[in-house]
Amino acid sequence: QVQLVESGGGVVQPGKSLRLSCAASGFAFSRYGMHWVRQAPGKGLEWVAVTYFDGSDKHYAESVKGRFTISRDNSKNTVYLQMNSLRAEDTALYFCARDSRYCSNNNCSSFADNWGQGVLVTVSS
Amino acid sequence: DIQLTQSPSFLSASVGDRVTITCRASQGIRSDVAWYQQKPGKAPKLLIYGASTLQSGVPSRFSGSGSGTDFTLTLSTLQPEDFATYYCQQLNSYPRTFGQGTKVDIK
Repeated sequence: QVQLVESGGGVVQPGKSLRLSCAASGFAFSRYGMHWVRQAPGKGLEWVAVTYFDGSDKHYAESVKGRFTISRDNSKNTVYLQMNSLRAEDTALYFCARDSRYCSNNNCSSFADNWGQGVLVTVSS
Repeated sequence: DIQLTQSPSFLSASVGDRVTITCRASQGIRSDVAWYQQKPGKAPKLLIYGASTLQSGVPSRFSGSGSGTDFTLTLSTLQPEDFATYYCQQLNSYPRTFGQGTKVDIK
């Protein structure tokens, strides 16, 4: 079955960098886009970034644009989130999720259908 | 960016109740909405996409409706395992924003 396992989290000082990884298995990874979504302690869900199936296009939340970079290695079935210039407000549980496409009435979109269990990032001095 | 406003933010209900959660978008988004359920310490679980299509394996007591700017998630007969927080998400454009969540608690 679909499995997504995040890693790379931890405690980091403000201004420093961290790279998260999400290892995928149980499906044809190179055919799917991938998302990162985060959740600050006690707060709601915040979408962070997406990469298309082949890495040809990427989108970011305004709050992370210019600081975070999403990438993927289809030979390793892994998606990454490089986080630079970290701030206290980036403290959160970070989830990766698979992007699945659907079409209805000639309109197509996509949704996050399978999620990892998350990895905690704490930004603190 | 498209803003999503869920209501209520919190509701108290009993097993067997019918529960309705609404999600309003700041602009028209066709039927491009998904609903997720999240329990404490767990990853979100997809319930519905395309506003009304039930994800495989999700019980039929969950249903979704709406288009344009107004959407609803309905739980026809609340079960003990349904006490959780529910989020809507717009699938129309990037950034893919979420509603603020609705916590369904035991009365």
